[in-house]
Amino acid sequence: TQLLEQSPQFLSIQEGENLTVYCNSSSVFSSLQWYRQEPGEGPVLLVTVVTGGEVKKLKRLTFQFGDARKDSSLHITAAQPGDTGLYLCAGDSYGNKLVFGAGTILRVKS
Amino acid sequence: SQTIHQWPATLVQPVGSPLSLECTVEGTSNPNLYWYRQAAGRGLQLLFYSVGIGQISSEVPQNLSASRPQDRQFILSSKKLLLSDSGFYLCAWSPPRKLQETQYFGPGTRLLVL
Repeated sequence: TQLLEQSPQFLSIQEGENLTVYCNSSSVFSSLQWYRQEPGEGPVLLVTVVTGGEVKKLKRLTFQFGDARKDSSLHITAAQPGDTGLYLCAGDSYGNKLVFGAGTILRVKS
Repeated sequence: SQTIHQWPATLVQPVGSPLSLECTVEGTSNPNLYWYRQAAGRGLQLLFYSVGIGQISSEVPQNLSASRPQDRQFILSSKKLLLSDSGFYLCAWSPPRKLQETQYFGPGTRLLVL
C-alpha cells in the first residue's frame, strides 16, 4: 500500500513568518500535486510537479519534488492570513489512482 | 471551461434512511469521475471511481454504492445510512483516458447522519 506522510499535522504561526510542509513516502511517484482546501469547500490545485528535483514557484509558495520522486516540500515565505487552510499532497504512481496525504492544517495569525 | 457541481451542499439524514448525492461535470467529455470521503477536514479516502458510463470501481467495502447513468453524472447512494456514514463527500473529475495526474474537485456535500 502506498502511503504519503505529511508533516507537521498542524501549524500555527504569526503573519510574516516562513514555514515548510513536508510530504514523504517510500514509494516513487510519477507526479505529485499540492492542493489547498478551505473549510466547507473542495480542494483546489496549487501545483503539479513531475520531474525529480523540480522546483516550482507560485508567488510566495515554493514547491520542490525530491530527486528520487519520493518526497516533496512546500515552502511559504512571509505567510499571510489568507494562506490559512488545509494543505494536501497527492501522489500519482504511474497509472494508479491518486494517493493523498492526511494533510497539514495551517493557521496564520495576524 | 470545465465546472463540477455537487448537491445538496448539506444534508441531515436519520439512521436507516436512503441517500442520493449527485455530481455533474460540464465542459468535458468522458471524464474520469471519483467519489471521496473526508473526515474531520483531513485526508481524502477514495470510495469509487469511474472511467465511463456504467463502469464503477469500488475501493473499500462499505455501505455505499455509486452509479454513472450518464457520461458526466456520478451518483453516490445508500439504501440505509449508518452513523459512520457522516462526513464530507467530495466528487472529482480528471481528463479522460488517464487514471492519474490532476483531479479537480467539486464543492462537496456535508452529510450528518443522526
